[in-house]
Amino acid sequence: QKEVEQDPGPLSVPEGAIVSLNCTYSNSAFQYFMWYRQYSRKGPELLMYTYSSGNKEDGRFTAQVDKSSKYISLFIRDSQPSDSATYLCAMSANVGAGSYQLTFGKGTKLSVIP
Amino acid sequence: DAGVTQSPTHLIKTRGQQVTLRCSPISGHKSVSWYQQVLGQGPQFIFQYYEKEERGRGNFPDRFSARQFPNYSSELNVNALLLGDSALYLCATRNAEGDTQYFGPGTRLTVL
Repeated sequence: QKEVEQDPGPLSVPEGAIVSLNCTYSNSAFQYFMWYRQYSRKGPELLMYTYSSGNKEDGRFTAQVDKSSKYISLFIRDSQPSDSATYLCAMSANVGAGSYQLTFGKGTKLSVIP
Repeated sequence: DAGVTQSPTHLIKTRGQQVTLRCSPISGHKSVSWYQQVLGQGPQFIFQYYEKEERGRGNFPDRFSARQFPNYSSELNVNALLLGDSALYLCATRNAEGDTQYFGPGTRLTVL
């Protein structure tokens, strides 16, 4: 079993739809959770960063963490064609300066159709 | 401020050759990490360096090595290249505790 599971999709939605992206994880040591967006052949771009269970909102994006279920989600409201990209969930057990590594899901490829 | 920069952008090598990839961190960032991203997969952790010391190593063979310089830039070296080393190599840097990582654009390595 991989430490982080993410449905690779592809996921295709019409413009304006609400998108739900999800990851599950098995390592209970993970305490910090991130969502990255990656356009084709580019480096990942940080979208959301959270470390507590519950919701965190930033514009059209909401990150949700449920540590008891080892489940995280990213919601995109009013999706736009420019949101078409691969979305990667990432997790870390600590954020100490001395040791820090992210474990990623495989990524979900999203297409928003005009 | 400039973001994380990596060079070269693209690289084509043949099996058995050696390659060196370079990363310059965001100004003030002392931690540099390297990730390998194979097509269709998420990035996989290779190394982390902080204050010029190795602080973490992923599950990669000894053919992979890295170092960090006094100006906090970093190099990743891969010896005896295999076809399976073809991937996007990403550098990520961070400032201090509590901050997250910011990725560069990557170097795309093709091994023929």
